[in-house]
Amino acid sequence: DTGVSQDPRHKITKRGQNVTFRCDPISEHNRLYWYRQTLGQGPEFLTYFQNEAQLEKSRLLSDRFSAERPKGSFSTLEIQRTEQGDSAMYLCASSLVASGEDEQFFGPGTRLTVL
Amino acid sequence: SQKIEQNSEALNIQEGKTATLTCNYTNYSPAYLQWYRQDPGRGPVFLLLIRENEKEKRKERLKVTFDTTLKQSLFHITASQPADSATYLCALALGGDMRFGAGTRLTVKP
Repeated sequence: DTGVSQDPRHKITKRGQNVTFRCDPISEHNRLYWYRQTLGQGPEFLTYFQNEAQLEKSRLLSDRFSAERPKGSFSTLEIQRTEQGDSAMYLCASSLVASGEDEQFFGPGTRLTVL
Repeated sequence: SQKIEQNSEALNIQEGKTATLTCNYTNYSPAYLQWYRQDPGRGPVFLLLIRENEKEKRKERLKVTFDTTLKQSLFHITASQPADSATYLCALALGGDMRFGAGTRLTVKP
């Protein structure tokens, strides 16, 4: 399977704990995105990378969230001191930017539950 | 403030009819607009992209229109089938980030 993969698929944690999610994009894709989605809403943009550079980060994203893409391949999203409001589906997507197009391929998501 | 609104949370139609979904936006000037399909528990899947200088685009039973004056895109599924039942999301490209609407849940009844 050469699609976008995410790990873990589900994570249950207690409030105050740190969690880290991993995303492996499609290998030739140079852009990688993180989104958060809650029930009944569309994906909410968190941040994106072009190769290893983090080019944009949502102003809605608190300092407890950090993302890395150290070698321009896989990416990690860490949430520190989790809160119940962080419970959501975290989606990763990748794309190959060419000619201004940006068709995004999404992974299956990581569902986070904060107790 | 910037908003993306999709016409309704849910749309129910009979098999064989044409489904029309609406995406309206305010205070954006997107370079292009995309439509995605999302099934429960899965990530969105790309369907179509339409640029600001394009009026209409088609792909099989799908048709998208884009009116930058009205700030509106219409998404049509002709000869709808129960397998078309899903949530459909519009997304606007703003530089590097994409902004998604809340989606419209389409149910096609046999």
